[in-house]
Amino acid sequence: QSVLTQPPSVSAAPGQKVTISCSGSSSNIGTNYVSWYQQLPGTAPKLLIYDNDSRPSGVPDRFSGSKSGTSATLVITGLQTGDEADYFCASWDNFVSPVIFGGGTKLTVL
Amino acid sequence: QVQLVQSGAEVRKPGASVKVSCKVPADTLREMSMHWVRQTPGKGLEWLGGLDPDNGEIIYAQKFQGRVTMTEDTSIDTVYMELSTLTSDDTAVYFCTSAFYSSWSRWFDPWGQGTLVTVSS
Repeated sequence: QSVLTQPPSVSAAPGQKVTISCSGSSSNIGTNYVSWYQQLPGTAPKLLIYDNDSRPSGVPDRFSGSKSGTSATLVITGLQTGDEADYFCASWDNFVSPVIFGGGTKLTVL
Repeated sequence: QVQLVQSGAEVRKPGASVKVSCKVPADTLREMSMHWVRQTPGKGLEWLGGLDPDNGEIIYAQKFQGRVTMTEDTSIDTVYMELSTLTSDDTAVYFCTSAFYSSWSRWFDPWGQGTLVTVSS
């Protein structure tokens, strides 16, 4: 069981918006930055968001991140079929581990 | 974009060890903080350990302490992850990844293509 909790799956239609949550506690998300990763089928994870809400160059602005309290959220707007993937949040916990991951959320674009 | 190239799939028997390699672009290893993460169907992504650039030491996840060793060979721009006393629970895809790792921010980019390690009798 992951320290960071994500919904196992979300779905939405092309063009719509979807939000993926990542819930933690005061010892991880509550005090530390969150990053998000996209993993397309059969490939390695790819960095989408770092430091809660920063996008690396090359990541479309359809992807955005935010953090409030002990939860973080990834928002994807203008959904495309190519966005079908697993999405993982990550942070670190001041007591448990220098690096922790959420269990992952499978996005289906209907 | 920096490319990390990992060694091929491995099959081991329970109790054995495995050593996975990850080649980084020439002359960049000294600038990188390399980490290892594995992925299993049952437990998702798990961090095994990596370099803390603040003190130059390798830090390991408590779960793998004593079983995992991370090394590097700068002459051939390659890092290694060796995991010993394997069990079926260690069957996973192992990724190397370059980390931005500090006391105030941590993230991983890019990632190697992954190496499947299968532990089976």
